[in-house]
Amino acid sequence: QQQVKQSPQSLIVQKGGISIINCAYENTAFDYFPWYQQFPGKGPALLIAIRPDVSEKKEGRFTISFNKSAKQFSLHIMDSQPGDSATYFCAASINDYKLSFGAGTTVTVRA
Amino acid sequence: DADVTQTPRNRITKTGKRIMLECSQTKGHDRMYWYRQDPGLGLRLIYYSFDVKDINKGEISDGYSVSRQAQAKFSLSLESAIPNQTALYFCATSDRTGSYGYTFGSGTRLTVV
Repeated sequence: QQQVKQSPQSLIVQKGGISIINCAYENTAFDYFPWYQQFPGKGPALLIAIRPDVSEKKEGRFTISFNKSAKQFSLHIMDSQPGDSATYFCAASINDYKLSFGAGTTVTVRA
Repeated sequence: DADVTQTPRNRITKTGKRIMLECSQTKGHDRMYWYRQDPGLGLRLIYYSFDVKDINKGEISDGYSVSRQAQAKFSLSLESAIPNQTALYFCATSDRTGSYGYTFGSGTRLTVV
């Protein structure tokens, strides 16, 4: 049983558009919520992470929105580019170790 | 050289065979992990180790075993491979704080026929 539920499974967006990926969790003890980006043939790489004491974190075109009361968090990719085409995983953990991952979202950015 | 190196990159093996996947790291991290990735299931934790003498089961450890030979080396074994262990396997490392995220290897694609 997955501890972190991720949706959608895949999405297609036009270049310059906004990609939104959503995740939900049940374990209120989770205190670290990272997003990983994976390109074909590579391992996942940390993209951005947030802790529950803030509601939003932005790094360049990538933003995490966090709703503690709803136990949900999302990744927004602004001005999506073809190079953003990848699989994105949300994850959660307690005390920064033993990450539980979502099922992944494959993002395709059309030029 | 990669920070986390997994060998082999690809492997086809027969049902019932014993196989070992190896992982070595140059990050100097104490914590090491083995995950498997399946389509639609994401990454699931098999085993994790916080140091050479500390090894713990993850959520799907049945059918697998591990060995932490040194701080830098963590190997995963399938004692008797079965077809539903066909998957992409990743080794990862993190420092003690975990705050800088995991560093993953490039993965081993294992096919059990």
